[in-house]
Amino acid sequence: EAGVTQFPSHSVIEKGQTVTLRCDPISGHDNLYWYRRVMGKEIKFLLHFVKESKQDESGMPNNRFLAERTGGTYSTLKVQPAELEDSGVYFCASSLQLLTEAFFGQGTRLTVV
Amino acid sequence: TQLLEQSPQFLSIQEGENLTVYCNSSSVFSSLQWYRQEPGEGPVLLVTVVTGGEVKKLKRLTFQFGDARKDSSLHITAAQPGDTGLYLCAGPSSEGATNKLIFGTGTLLAVQP
Repeated sequence: EAGVTQFPSHSVIEKGQTVTLRCDPISGHDNLYWYRRVMGKEIKFLLHFVKESKQDESGMPNNRFLAERTGGTYSTLKVQPAELEDSGVYFCASSLQLLTEAFFGQGTRLTVV
Repeated sequence: TQLLEQSPQFLSIQEGENLTVYCNSSSVFSSLQWYRQEPGEGPVLLVTVVTGGEVKKLKRLTFQFGDARKDSSLHITAAQPGDTGLYLCAGPSSEGATNKLIFGTGTLLAVQP
């Protein structure tokens, strides 16, 4: 069974540009999470989907970040316009149920220059 | 705000040595998880401890949850180069009902052959 897959692995963009990150969760996992680690800091929660609904987006830094999960399958996280402080590694995780193990993708390393 | 502090931040040891990594908080957690992350990969769950005072063993790794459920430790016996990686503790946030995880600051372990 395929694990959580994230695209792209790396992205280097200029400040002010737009970037879209994609996450394909494990098939059948209703819960999908986005996390982020910025340089030197701990991994922090961004938001949580249950199917296509946003359950908690309390960790989203500001309105330049937009997450979607159309149809309750894959999810996208768009940053528009990107700022230097958005650089970091963005992780996606999925779980079958709310309190079951979450499986993490390999992450997308975003560098804004 | 719930925080998890890990110590040490970095650890470089020789193959065959023993080591202990600590994860501490001033907050009570309902459970704590330990992950290992290797370069270019996402965190992979090693164990979940749920009961205060609980001890779990995974081959050469021993995990302990503090009696007050505010701290945890990971002890590795006879470390091997394959144990090299970033060790993270994480616990579910008590805010909301999404099971979002709060991550520790991480311990980077290097085991030299």
